[in-house]
Amino acid sequence: GNSVTQMEGPVTLSEEAFLTINCTYTATGYPSLFWYVQYPGEGLQLLLKATKADDKGSNKGFEATYRKETTSFHLEKGSVQVSDSAVYFCALSEEEYGNKLVFGAGTILRVKS
Amino acid sequence: KAGVTQTPRYLIKTRGQQVTLSCSPISGHRSVSWYQQTPGQGLQFLFEYFSETQRNKGNFPGRFSGRQFSNSRSEMNVSTLELGDSALYLCASSSGLAFRPLYFGPGTRLLVL
Repeated sequence: GNSVTQMEGPVTLSEEAFLTINCTYTATGYPSLFWYVQYPGEGLQLLLKATKADDKGSNKGFEATYRKETTSFHLEKGSVQVSDSAVYFCALSEEEYGNKLVFGAGTILRVKS
Repeated sequence: KAGVTQTPRYLIKTRGQQVTLSCSPISGHRSVSWYQQTPGQGLQFLFEYFSETQRNKGNFPGRFSGRQFSNSRSEMNVSTLELGDSALYLCASSSGLAFRPLYFGPGTRLLVL
């Protein structure tokens, strides 16, 4: 079946450091890919998405490129802030309406000032 | 625009009881999905309702059921509670159209004793 694998955390960085969180997927077709973020005590928020190969999703300084050849969707940010501390989830959907998501295990990011 | 609301936010039940959780989607959204989040299994899809009909279903036992009303509000019911049902239950709403983002509520934290 479909699955998503994320790098294990926690990832601890200093403010203004470069961030990469790796995500790879297994899917039978051509999924849409997403990154969600969960701040403490809150629900998930969509961070960015890409719906086809070579698409780049971006939001709030975060970027991820849909790489079909490596089945990857790595999350990057050039300069992290303390406020970026959260849990990041990579997810895929093969459903036409995108409402049945398969999530990775999540990666905790801690940014120190 | 008001976000997704879930009630109650916290719930404590004992084994064998049943529980009903409620979700009010964003105004105008016709799709409501439910997810279970646990430390061991992560985020898992339960089911999705669109225009009062179940459109997708995850791999959960029949003790987990749901429904959607004509105003798009949704309820999820778990009967004969087990200790392993302790989790954060997240509701997400969307327009239901292709590749539209999901908007998650803050969740209901259920503890089964």
